[in-house]
Amino acid sequence: AQSVAQPEDQVNVAEGNPLTVKCTYSVSGNPYLFWYVQYPNRGLQFLLKYITGDNLVKGSYGFEAEFNKSQTSFHLKKPSALVSDSALYFCAVRERNAGNNRKLIWGLGTSLAVNP
Amino acid sequence: NAGVTQTPKFQVLKTGQSMTLQCAQDMNHNSMYWYRQDPGMGLRLIYYSASEGTTDKGEVPNGYNVSRLNKREFSLRLESAAPSQTSVYFCASSEFRQGNQPQHFGDGTRLSIL
Repeated sequence: AQSVAQPEDQVNVAEGNPLTVKCTYSVSGNPYLFWYVQYPNRGLQFLLKYITGDNLVKGSYGFEAEFNKSQTSFHLKKPSALVSDSALYFCAVRERNAGNNRKLIWGLGTSLAVNP
Repeated sequence: NAGVTQTPKFQVLKTGQSMTLQCAQDMNHNSMYWYRQDPGMGLRLIYYSASEGTTDKGEVPNGYNVSRLNKREFSLRLESAAPSQTSVYFCASSEFRQGNQPQHFGDGTRLSIL
């Protein structure tokens, strides 16, 4: 079955330290991969996506993610965390050959807390 | 630039009542989506509209109907609300791009069915 796993419900980091939010997936073929962020009482905001090409993708707010095909992972990273990065982060995957199927397979989210 | 606007922000209904959730986007996007977000379930697609005049079912369409009134507006209707429909509802939009992901989300409608 197709699935996305975010193995950590919560990640705590100190401000200024690097952060990683993990995502692994089980989807056939080479999927499209996405990261979104959700601040309290707000809608999701698109951060970045992997379509093809360079395995390291750069996105908004200084975030980047690395696609690892052999490990079927797409971990979100940032070199230096800010308190304002504290939010809920979602990984999502879509089959590459799904045609008009708009279904994204979503992870359950990881709550990131950046401590001052 | 308002982006995606949802109304109302909060609503409490009684079982069996009907209501329409409104969504409008001002980015001239072709595609629009309705999701529900529930604890422990992640986001689930209810309906989407690839372009004006077309709508398609998502993962959890039962109990809902949609209308793509024009390019800007995509409404979600609950004909007979049930407690299982208590959720946070998000509307989203996107331009057609490789990957076809929703790009912009509204801030949600928090709906409680008693």
